[in-house]
Amino acid sequence: GEDVEQSLFLSVREGDSSVINCTYTDSSSTYLYWYKQEPGAGLQLLTYIFSNMDMKQDQRLTVLLNKKDKHLSLRIADTQTGDSAIYFCAESIPGGYNKLIFGAGTRLAVHP
Amino acid sequence: AAGVIQSPRHLIKEKRETATLKCYPIPRHDTVYWYQQGPGQDPQFLISFYEKMQSDKGSIPDRFSAQQFSDYHSELNMSSLELGDSALYFCASSLRLSGSTDTQYFGPGTRLTVL
Repeated sequence: GEDVEQSLFLSVREGDSSVINCTYTDSSSTYLYWYKQEPGAGLQLLTYIFSNMDMKQDQRLTVLLNKKDKHLSLRIADTQTGDSAIYFCAESIPGGYNKLIFGAGTRLAVHP
Repeated sequence: AAGVIQSPRHLIKEKRETATLKCYPIPRHDTVYWYQQGPGQDPQFLISFYEKMQSDKGSIPDRFSAQQFSDYHSELNMSSLELGDSALYFCASSLRLSGSTDTQYFGPGTRLTVL
């Protein structure tokens, strides 16, 4: 079945690293995405990873994928106050014309 | 770079009224998706169109309908509005490429409030 789970809250100190975790159930997922949503705003695509990859790095962002455990993580290095937002993990379902199934979102709070 | 445009950005309606939401995809994108995000919820897929044909359907109520026009813009029509329809409605667009992800880019959303 299609289900994506995330922890709901994460609080970190400015300058520390943040790690947001996600688990998914559909082993046929081909692409997994991370979107960022600031209050009252739209969904900003941060990064994505293909299911045959283990890791993808893009500046301060590192995505790790453990396909065996169906576990995805997003690491934000040197977290800044501007990173405070809700982060959604999403999987793309093949055969479903690539509709996205989202997790509940992790609210990241960055404090001084 | 051009992004997905949605209009209106905010809409207030009363129960049993109708509403039309518009979406203008990124130029040359051929696929449009509609999602509904309730307060404090994750976005839920409603419906998608590829090359002006409906390609997939999710949890879209029968009171809602949508279409994609020849210029690839899309409209979501909502009738007999209910209080529970109050939500943020996102449109996303993508370019469908075989053998690759058709990454979805989201618009800013239309916030619909039903009174």
